[in-house]
Amino acid sequence: AQSVTQPDIHITVSEGASLELRCNYSYGATPYLFWYVQSPGQGLQLLLKYFSGDTLVQGIKGFEAEFKRSQSSFNLRKPSVHWSDAAEYFCAVGASSDFGNEKLTFGTGTRLTIIP
Amino acid sequence: EAQVTQNPRYLITVTGKKLTVTCSQNMNHEYMSWYRQDPGLGLRQIYYSMNVEVTDKGDVPEGYKVSRKEKRNFPLILESPSPNQTSLYFCASRNRGPEGYTFGSGTRLTVV
Repeated sequence: AQSVTQPDIHITVSEGASLELRCNYSYGATPYLFWYVQSPGQGLQLLLKYFSGDTLVQGIKGFEAEFKRSQSSFNLRKPSVHWSDAAEYFCAVGASSDFGNEKLTFGTGTRLTIIP
Repeated sequence: EAQVTQNPRYLITVTGKKLTVTCSQNMNHEYMSWYRQDPGLGLRQIYYSMNVEVTDKGDVPEGYKVSRKEKRNFPLILESPSPNQTSLYFCASRNRGPEGYTFGSGTRLTVV
C-alpha cells in the first residue's frame, strides 16, 4: 500500500527567506507525486506534479519540487516566501501502474506560517 | 469557468437525519472522488468513480453512499449521519491519465 509522510506539522519562516517542505513516500513502483496548497477556508489547489522525466519540476507561484528516488522524497522548495504563501501544504502520491486505479494518498499536511 | 461545485458549503444536522451533499463538475472529467479532511489525518478518500455507474470504495467508506448516474454529478449520501462524520468534505474530479485533481471548495458538516 502506498503512503506519504510529511514530518513537519508546522513550519514558521520569515518573509523573504527560503522554504523547504519535506515529503517522503512509500510506493512499490514509479509514483505520481503531487503538491497541493490549501489556503484558509479554501479548497486544495494543485501546485505541481511529477510523473516522469526531469526530476526537478516547476509549479505555480514560484514553487519547485525535486523527485529523489533513492531517498523516496519529493520536497517542495521556494527561494523567497511571501506573506501570501501562508497556508497548509499537502503532498500526495498516486498509483502509476494503472491509470484506472484511482488511489491517491495524501500526507497529513504541513502548516506554513510567515512572519514579517 | 472550469470548476467543481459543492453544495452546501456549511451544514449542521442532527444524528440520523439523512442528507446529501451535491457535487458537480463542468470539465467533462471521467474521474470523481470524495475526500474527508480531519485535523492531523490529512485527506482520506471515501469513494471514487471512474465513469458513469462505476464507483468503488476508498479508505473510509463506512456510513457513506455515492451514485454516478451522470458524468457531471457525484453526490455523497449520508443515510444516518453520526457525530463521527463531522468533518470537512471535498469533492474532486480529473481527466483520465496522470492528472491532478481539481477540488471543490469544501462542505463543512457538523452532526449533533
